[in-house]
Amino acid sequence: DTGVSQNPRHKITKRGQNVTFRCDPISEHNRLYWYRQTLGQGPEFLTYFQNEAQLEKSRLLSDRFSAERPKGSFSTLEIQRTEQGDSAMYLCASSFQGSPNEKLFFGSGTQLSVL
Amino acid sequence: QQQVKQSPQSLIVQKGGISIINCAYENTAFDYFPWYQQFPGKGPALLIAIRPDVSEKKEGRFTISFNKSAKQFSLHIMDSQPGDSATYFCAASRGGRRALTFGSGTRLQVQP
Repeated sequence: DTGVSQNPRHKITKRGQNVTFRCDPISEHNRLYWYRQTLGQGPEFLTYFQNEAQLEKSRLLSDRFSAERPKGSFSTLEIQRTEQGDSAMYLCASSFQGSPNEKLFFGSGTQLSVL
Repeated sequence: QQQVKQSPQSLIVQKGGISIINCAYENTAFDYFPWYQQFPGKGPALLIAIRPDVSEKKEGRFTISFNKSAKQFSLHIMDSQPGDSATYFCAASRGGRRALTFGSGTRLQVQP
């Protein structure tokens, strides 16, 4: 598989529970991004990694959100004490920094529903 | 603060026609302007991108027109096909970052 892989595809949880999503980027890509997309809107940037270093976090990323990329390969996004407003599609993207025309490749996302 | 404004929200075009989607940006530091196509249940896929040192870029049936002074750019889809029916997003970023700021999307429907 040469694309960005996200798991699970769908997650239903009750308010107050913790959830974790996983993203496996394209293997040679050193940058990894997390975005959130709500219905009828464009994706909103959350955070990004270059290798294992988290270089930028959006103000949208509250203290309940944490992302890791421990070995510079796959990444996880955890949401603690979920709220109904967290319901959204969580998209992961990867790219190779250093290529002349750096392009982001997106996964199909994890759809989160908080009841 | 919405830094990239996109219009129209939805668009219906006949097969073979030209689809035109417009975007305007506020941040003059933006230096990379891609367009993405998204089908239901899928992530966005890069269609075409432009930098502000050129006024137009064409790839196949897709063309970006860029007006730096007006801070506007647009996507033109020539000979629109039913398979082009999707949601299109413009985006922008600055300074080598790929933390893109997206527009709100245009839902395109191409009627056969």
